[in-house]
Amino acid sequence: KAGVTQTPRYLIKTRGQQVTLSCSPISGHRSVSWYQQTPGQGLQFLFEYFSETQRNKGNFPGRFSGRQFSNSRSEMNVSTLELGDSALYLCASSYSGTEAGGELFFGEGSRLTVL
Amino acid sequence: AQTVTQSQPEMSVQEAETVTLSCTYDTSESDYYLFWYKQPPSRQMILVIRQEAYKQQNATENRFSVNFQKAAKSFSLKISDSQLGDAAMYFCAYRILNRDDKIIFGKGTRLHILP
Repeated sequence: KAGVTQTPRYLIKTRGQQVTLSCSPISGHRSVSWYQQTPGQGLQFLFEYFSETQRNKGNFPGRFSGRQFSNSRSEMNVSTLELGDSALYLCASSYSGTEAGGELFFGEGSRLTVL
Repeated sequence: AQTVTQSQPEMSVQEAETVTLSCTYDTSESDYYLFWYKQPPSRQMILVIRQEAYKQQNATENRFSVNFQKAAKSFSLKISDSQLGDAAMYFCAYRILNRDDKIIFGKGTRLHILP
């Protein structure tokens, strides 16, 4: 079974631009979560989608948005990029909520650098 | 507020020796999952071990075991016979059972294995 796939793996943007990151979950998983990882802040929860609906949201500004498609693939978008948005963005999928022990399966991440 | 605290940002251990990573959490819930995730350098985050709060017996996975003290809200990870491949960032995490809630992560402990 294929794992969680994130694209692109690396990208460089300049301030003010926008970026879209993609995540394909493990087949059968309907929940997709997004996390921002930085050296100083650790893993910060962005949002979680389940069956095309945002079910949970972290404390990030409205520049960060996401969506989920009917095939469970998810995208997140960051508009008006700031230097502080430079981070590793991790996507994780699971069956649903706390099914199967609540375990998240992570992708390799998309490393965003904002210049 | 639900929080997870890892008080050791970095640790080192000699190869073949035992090391314990500490984690405390704060919750008013009685049923939840606790996790330890491992993130090797430039590699995917994977689950190391999981503990259900309603189980009194400490979880064990080969060389990895936990010391779960529910009353003290403590969940430490013990790695026995440390190997070079154990070098990674380790994250402690918590998730409420039977609620579609996000997983809360600690800030991580970077573990170095000394040959």
